[in-house]
Amino acid sequence: ELKVEQNPLFLSMQEGKNYTIYCNYSTTSDRLYWYRQDPGKSLESLFVLLSNGAVKQEGRLMASLDTKARLSTLHITAAVHDLSATYFCAVVIKAAGNKLTFGGGTRVLVKP
Amino acid sequence: EPEVTQTPSHQVTQMGQEVILRCVPISNHLYFYWYRQILGQKVEFLVSFYNNEISEKSEIFDDQFSVERPDGSNFTLKIRSTKLEDSAMYFCASIGTSGSNEQFFGPGTRLTVL
Repeated sequence: ELKVEQNPLFLSMQEGKNYTIYCNYSTTSDRLYWYRQDPGKSLESLFVLLSNGAVKQEGRLMASLDTKARLSTLHITAAVHDLSATYFCAVVIKAAGNKLTFGGGTRVLVKP
Repeated sequence: EPEVTQTPSHQVTQMGQEVILRCVPISNHLYFYWYRQILGQKVEFLVSFYNNEISEKSEIFDDQFSVERPDGSNFTLKIRSTKLEDSAMYFCASIGTSGSNEQFFGPGTRLTVL
């Protein structure tokens, strides 16, 4: 059974500093997604990573994928307050019908 | 831009009552999903649906749950006899035919069972 683990569960950030969220998964996957969720809201897709070594960047967020280590990271550069949210990684195995298996989420709070 | 819509946004019901949550997926999408998120917890897969039948379901999706695509546009999740522990956000998602097979999520329905 596929297991997806994120750490840390909670991250208190200072504005202007850099941080990393980690996502480990237990079996070979076909793609990995990062989502952002604001309180009471739906899931906003940030990145999809398809292959080993993939790196995607958007603004202050950068995601990478190491399929050999079964590890993805979401790096936040120079955190700002509006990045406060919960971030989820989710893994897809095509043979499992393309369903998403989510990590537990990382709640990020950026303090001034 | 096309989007997945869900109604109602919030449903309050008494334990033991039936509820139907509605979703309108993006019009040319073929694969449909329901996920659940208990407050403060992770998002959990419930069921996937393709070609008018369930393609996969999780352990959560027991006999109290059913899904239907009654008219070619709506995709519904029915809970026959709600329990307190069914209180959660329910998200519908659909996949188109783009290469990334990205799932597009609806805004969710918050179900509160009293």
